Amino acid sequence: GENVEQHPSTLSVQEGDSAVIKCTYSDSASNYFPWYKQELGKRPQLIIDIRSNVGEKKDQRIAVTLNKTAKHFSLHITETQPEDSAVYFCAANPTASKLTFGTGTRLQVTL
Amino acid sequence: SQTIHQWPATLVQPVGSPLSLECTVEGTSNPNLYWYRQAAGRGLQLLFYSVGIGQISSEVPQNLSASRPQDRQFILSSKKLLLSDSGFYLCAWRQPGPRRTYEQYFGPGTRLTVT
Repeated sequence: GENVEQHPSTLSVQEGDSAVIKCTYSDSASNYFPWYKQELGKRPQLIIDIRSNVGEKKDQRIAVTLNKTAKHFSLHITETQPEDSAVYFCAANPTASKLTFGTGTRLQVTL
Repeated sequence: SQTIHQWPATLVQPVGSPLSLECTVEGTSNPNLYWYRQAAGRGLQLLFYSVGIGQISSEVPQNLSASRPQDRQFILSSKKLLLSDSGFYLCAWRQPGPRRTYEQYFGPGTRLTVT
């Protein structure tokens, strides 16, 4: 089955700096890669996603890049703000119906 | 627009007691439905998913079971809870169709503590 590895597990950045979270996947059949943000005690919220026919996608301060050959994708957050502090999960879809999640990255944005 | 509900929001149950968690989705038909569990400070573990009424796929062998009695209702059950069943239970839905949409959206979750 699909295996998604996510790094780092924790990340601390100063406000205004950039943050990068990286994921690798194993199943070459995966063609959809979402990122979720989960604030403390809340549900995971889909913040951005990318499909395998695209190499990069951007939405304001967040962007995702995908390298299908190397089977890795990354989340980039620029100009970080305190409200970006949360746990971020990447995922890949080994089938149309299922997502396999990474283990999460706890991002702390300090003032 | 679509809305997903879960109840109860929190639950404290003794070891050995039964469990029933409910999830309903509004504003869509024939969704894919999912149950995930998140242990404290951990990732998202897929427990069950369903592509239609009465169709349940189990991902992890355990003492939990799931049922889908109606198109937009998904229930997670246990006959006898274990301490290790404590966690944050999240229901999610996805709209299948010809557009090949893969996005999953989560409900607000049920925080279960087994004592």
